[in-house]
Amino acid sequence: AQRVTQPEKLLSVFKGAPVELKCNYSYSGSPELFWYVQYSRQRLQLLLRHISRESIKGFTADLNKGETSFHLKKPFAQEEDSAMYYCAPPRGSRAGTYKYIFGTGTRLKVLA
Amino acid sequence: NAGVTQTPKFQVLKTGQSMTLQCAQDMNHNSMYWYRQDPGMGLRLIYYSASEGTTDKGEVPNGYNVSRLNKREFSLRLESAAPSQTSVYFCASSATPGTAYGYTFGSGTRLTVV
Repeated sequence: AQRVTQPEKLLSVFKGAPVELKCNYSYSGSPELFWYVQYSRQRLQLLLRHISRESIKGFTADLNKGETSFHLKKPFAQEEDSAMYYCAPPRGSRAGTYKYIFGTGTRLKVLA
Repeated sequence: NAGVTQTPKFQVLKTGQSMTLQCAQDMNHNSMYWYRQDPGMGLRLIYYSASEGTTDKGEVPNGYNVSRLNKREFSLRLESAAPSQTSVYFCASSATPGTAYGYTFGSGTRLTVV
């Protein structure tokens, strides 16, 4: 089955340390991938899309087709980065329908 | 500037009671979705509506029904609430199914079934 996997439920790093949130997918072809972030008690919001190759709040994510990964990275973590992060795979299309299935999420805690 | 609006924000139900969660978007999006968020389970898709007039099941549809009332509104109904339905419910919308621009989410409804 098509799926996306975020192997870490919780990731704790110290302020100023590098961060890498892992995401692997099992889709074939050329997926469109996203990262969403949810700060405490807030709504989910789009962090970045791989197709735009952007850097938001210092975060970047590169699609590695060979490893089928889309890891989220930041060179120096800040306390305000503490949040829940979701990797969102591409559409799971079947006969024209779409099912947007998210990963299980990784909670990032940045320690002072 | 509202985006996606969900009501209510909080609700406590007794087992067996019914209720409807409301969702409305003002972005002229075609597609709308309902998710539930549970600790350790992430976001799970309950139902979605790819366009006005259509609805389809997601990963965890049992115990729920939906209505796409019009292009703006997509409601989620619990006919007979169970404790297993205690969760935070998020509505989302997108311009088209699986759009490259991603989803816009509502602020969530925190539901407790006792």
